[in-house]
Amino acid sequence: GESVGLHLPTLSVQEGDNSIINCAYSNSASDYFIWYKQESGKGPQFIIDIRSNMDKRQGQRVTVLLNKTVKHLSLQIAATQPGDSAVYFCAENRGDYKLSFGAGTTVTVRA
Amino acid sequence: DSGVTQTPKHLITATGQRVTLRCSPRSGDLSVYWYQQSLDQGLQFLIQYYNGEERAKGNILERFSAQQFPDLHSELNLSSLELGDSALYFCASSSGQGVQTQYFGPGTRLLVL
Repeated sequence: GESVGLHLPTLSVQEGDNSIINCAYSNSASDYFIWYKQESGKGPQFIIDIRSNMDKRQGQRVTVLLNKTVKHLSLQIAATQPGDSAVYFCAENRGDYKLSFGAGTTVTVRA
Repeated sequence: DSGVTQTPKHLITATGQRVTLRCSPRSGDLSVYWYQQSLDQGLQFLIQYYNGEERAKGNILERFSAQQFPDLHSELNLSSLELGDSALYFCASSSGQGVQTQYFGPGTRLLVL
């Protein structure tokens, strides 16, 4: 079956707090991972990516961590804002040109 | 705005009909990917084209076909439509054909009645 999945389907976070969204994968051959954000009625929007030769990558307010030992990927969002409310997908590329997406985590930011 | 455009935004049609979805990739991108997003299946890869040629195939039904034209825009043709084909169809593009970031368009919402 699909090798990319997220631990929790929903996450509720207080505005201003940090969010952590988790993703597990099972294919050791996966060498590229991407986090996407999808707002209602829109297409997935690229957030950040990481290659398998790295274990951490930082962007603006976001950090992706990759633990290849346990095949785990996480997205950390600092100081979560109402505009961060969306569905977050992790996706993996196994070198065969296609992305395999997890089921998604719906993040709701409480004011 | 990702730079990827898709038309139409919405499409309502009847079972048995045929529709064509259109995608224009980001300027300079040579690869186009098509995905289907439904509530029960999530985002599923359908097919990829690179510079006019098919490069990879996913869970694409035989009733579906696609092509990429010399100007690099792509069309996804869905025929003999069934109720279960109702979904969001996304196009994505990337500059090359290998392991790269894919940028998604806004999607076409297809409703088959």
